[in-house]
Amino acid sequence: DAKTTQPPSMDCAEGRAANLPCNHSTISGNEYVYWYRQIHSQGPQYIIHGLKNNETNEMASLIITEDRKSSTLILPHATLRDTAVYYCIVSGREGGKLIFGQGTELSVKP
Amino acid sequence: DAGVTQSPTHLIKTRGQQVTLRCSPKSGHDTVSWYQQALGQGPQFIFQYYEEEERQRGNFPDRFSGHQFPNYSSELNVNALLLGDSALYLCASRPTSGILDTQYFGPGTRLTVL
Repeated sequence: DAKTTQPPSMDCAEGRAANLPCNHSTISGNEYVYWYRQIHSQGPQYIIHGLKNNETNEMASLIITEDRKSSTLILPHATLRDTAVYYCIVSGREGGKLIFGQGTELSVKP
Repeated sequence: DAGVTQSPTHLIKTRGQQVTLRCSPKSGHDTVSWYQQALGQGPQFIFQYYEEEERQRGNFPDRFSGHQFPNYSSELNVNALLLGDSALYLCASRPTSGILDTQYFGPGTRLTVL
């Protein structure tokens, strides 16, 4: 079973920030939080990952709470092309086996 | 630099048949994983290959088997196909030395079992 809980769906207006929450209350100290997204009919795409500090790259920002039990993926200026299913995944350093949950289906609307 | 490639893109088989799906990893990647994604579900991990050996396996029956070649490409074989094997089969690759779960996925092979 997935170690994370996400809302099944969210809407966001084009140009606004999309904030996608994820709960991972059973995360271990050596486990990372990863975010992937899957645009319809394509393979999943890696977005960002973090351990305990906030992270930012060209695609998104990741905010992890101090107790590490939850995180938020932020798409600062959502576009129609960001419409996808977003998966939050917790994985240890042994790696290799991503456990996907149901994810959050984000719909960006004009 | 080509990413992960998979072939074929679509495949139709009948129950009881056998199928082989192929994957070429991203350049510089030596570890390949396979996932099955049923309609409306998240991908499910099947197994992972590194150095031509199966290293990790998910909860899939022995009908699912694989192989990795010296050039790091990989095959997924499914025997005695069932209707429930209809799914999108995804291949993912990563470098062993990199951040362990930053995986790169191919576009998938859509398998339909009739």
